[in-house]
Amino acid sequence: AQSVTQLGSHVSVSEGALVLLRCNYSSSVPPYLFWYVQYPNQGLQLLLKYTSAATLVKGINGFEAEFKKSETSFHLTKPSAHMSDAAEYFCAVSAPNFGNEKLTFGTGTRLTIIP
Amino acid sequence: GAVVSQHPSWVICKSGTSVKIECRSLDFQATTMFWYRQFPKQSLMLMATSNEGSKATYEQGVEKDKFLINHASLTLSTLTVTSAHPEDSSFYICSASITASSGGEQYFGPGTRLTVT
Repeated sequence: AQSVTQLGSHVSVSEGALVLLRCNYSSSVPPYLFWYVQYPNQGLQLLLKYTSAATLVKGINGFEAEFKKSETSFHLTKPSAHMSDAAEYFCAVSAPNFGNEKLTFGTGTRLTIIP
Repeated sequence: GAVVSQHPSWVICKSGTSVKIECRSLDFQATTMFWYRQFPKQSLMLMATSNEGSKATYEQGVEKDKFLINHASLTLSTLTVTSAHPEDSSFYICSASITASSGGEQYFGPGTRLTVT
C-alpha cells in the first residue's frame, strides 16, 4: 500500500522567493511519484514525475523535485515564485502495475503568492 | 498530446434523477480510465478504475449500483450517477492512462461539477 503526506496545507511566499512544498511518501515497493497542479475549477496538470530514473526531476514552469529514498521525500521546489504559481498542488504516489497504476494523492497544499 | 475531455463541465439536476458524465481521450487510446471525486478544498478520492471492455473495479465504500461506470471503447468512459441526492454534489474528475510505458502517468480531464438540488 502507498500513502502520501503533504506537510502544510497552506504555504505563502513572496513573489520572487523560493517555493518549497513538502511531500513524504510511504510505499512497500519502489514508487512512482508525481506532482500535479490544480487551478480553480479545473482538472489536474502534471508538473513532473519520478519513475526510477534520475533522482532530480525537472518539470514544467521551472519546478523541480528531488527523490530522496533515505528520507522518503519528494519535495517540490522553484527558485523564484511567480504570481501565476498560485494554485493547489498535489503530491501523488503509485506502484508500477502495467498501466493500471492507481494514484494515491496527498491532501494538497494551497500556494499563495504575496505580491 | 494526451488530452482528456469531460462533458458536461457542469450540471445541475433534481434529486432523484440520474446524470451521465462522459470522459474522452481525444488523441490517444486509453487502456485504463479512472474516476475521482473531489469535495471542496479536499484531495481527490479514487472511486473506480475501468478497463475497456471489462467491469469497473470500485474502491471500498463506493456504491457500484449508484455510480455506474461504462468503458465502451478505448476513448470513452461514462459515469452515471443514479438517483442523485444532494450529498452526491461534488466535482468529478476522470483520468486516463496509456500503457505501462507511460510510467503510471495519468492524464486528467477538466472535471465536471455536479450540483443536485
